[in-house]
Amino acid sequence: GENVEQHPSTLSVQEGDSAVIKCTYSDSASNYFPWYKQELGKGPQLIIDIRSNVGEKKDQRIAVTLNKTAKHFSLHITETQPEDSAVYFCAAPGDNYGQNFVFGPGTRLSVLP
Amino acid sequence: GAVVSQHPSWVICKSGTSVKIECRSLDFQATTMFWYRQFPKQSLMLMATSNEGSKATYEQGVEKDKFLINHASLTLSTLTVTSAHPEDSSFYICSAREANFHEQYFGPGTRLTVT
Repeated sequence: GENVEQHPSTLSVQEGDSAVIKCTYSDSASNYFPWYKQELGKGPQLIIDIRSNVGEKKDQRIAVTLNKTAKHFSLHITETQPEDSAVYFCAAPGDNYGQNFVFGPGTRLSVLP
Repeated sequence: GAVVSQHPSWVICKSGTSVKIECRSLDFQATTMFWYRQFPKQSLMLMATSNEGSKATYEQGVEKDKFLINHASLTLSTLTVTSAHPEDSSFYICSAREANFHEQYFGPGTRLTVT
């Protein structure tokens, strides 16, 4: 089955700096990779995703890059703001014909003012 | 769009009682819904996958007779925790997915405390 690793587990950056979170996956057949942001006491929110037929996708200050050969994908947040502070989870398709996701362990991002 | 609601947002129940949590997709038809459990400072742990009109598929180690899942319509799934015990206290989150789409949208979660 799919195995997803995520690094770093915690990340502190100064406001305005960039943050990068990296995930690796094990199943070369995986074709869809979402990123979720979870604020304290809330459910995860889908912030960006990428399909395997593209190498990069950008949405304002957030971007995701995918390297299929190396089986890793990364979340890039530029010009970080205090409201970006949260736990971020990456995911990849799991078993059950890819219906469900396997989540990474999460990265706690703190943006310091 | 793509809004998923959960009710209640928090619940306290006594040991031995049952509690039902509802998950609704508000603006799309959720052919598949998922139930997760999350302990503090941990990742999401998938409990079960349910397709509308079919029996849920439970992950290894999840007791299907304790965590009853019903997905009777394209907009509603319920999770019933039967004979709850303090160790069932957790944050329960549902997500929903539309047919032929990869995206999963999560509800806001339900905090269950069993005393």
